[in-house]
Amino acid sequence: SQQGEEDPQALSIQEGENATMNCSYKTSINNLQWYRQNSGRGLVHLILIRSNEREKHSGRLRVTLDTSKKSSSLLITASRAADTASYFCATVNFGNEKLTFGTGTRLTIIP
Amino acid sequence: DTGVSQDPRHKITKRGQNVTFRCDPISEHNRLYWYRQTLGQGPEFLTYFQNEAQLEKSRLLSDRFSAERPKGSFSTLEIQRTEQGDSAMYLCASSPQSSGTGHEQYFGPGTRLTVT
Repeated sequence: SQQGEEDPQALSIQEGENATMNCSYKTSINNLQWYRQNSGRGLVHLILIRSNEREKHSGRLRVTLDTSKKSSSLLITASRAADTASYFCATVNFGNEKLTFGTGTRLTIIP
Repeated sequence: DTGVSQDPRHKITKRGQNVTFRCDPISEHNRLYWYRQTLGQGPEFLTYFQNEAQLEKSRLLSDRFSAERPKGSFSTLEIQRTEQGDSAMYLCASSPQSSGTGHEQYFGPGTRLTVT
């Protein structure tokens, strides 16, 4: 079963704009991870944020985590055509290592 | 390329046939995972191994599904008596054992199964 949901389900923006997608989940977590999936490269890990962290940066990516609201957001700044993909959040609970994925956000960057 | 590899990449089979997929993880990773993904959905966990031990199985993994990881290296996922509902992308991932705070997983390209 899916742990949570991404919002929006689909997003189209112009190249150069920022893209924000949100993830909500249901249970207490050890960490939350974001993955990107496109037809060319499959599922690729982007960033991991632990339950005791509130914000993390990696290049053009910024992730926030609010454990009180059970939500996370992924911000991609200065978007590029190559960012076109589906983005998934995935949670890991304490005591195991399996990923529980959300439903994904399909991002389209318009050149 | 030293990433996770899966074989075959595509498999078309008739309902009722058995199929077997193979996954070769990154060599130094002792954890190996199987997920299934249907169109428009996120991947769903099926099972995972630490070395050769199968530590957890999802309720999605009916008795027609079996997974092995002999000697803690490659893994196979077998589906017996395939049904049309088994059509999906089967993803394999591996990771090193984490310190308890979690670790990213490295995914293979997947095996797309079509049951006709």
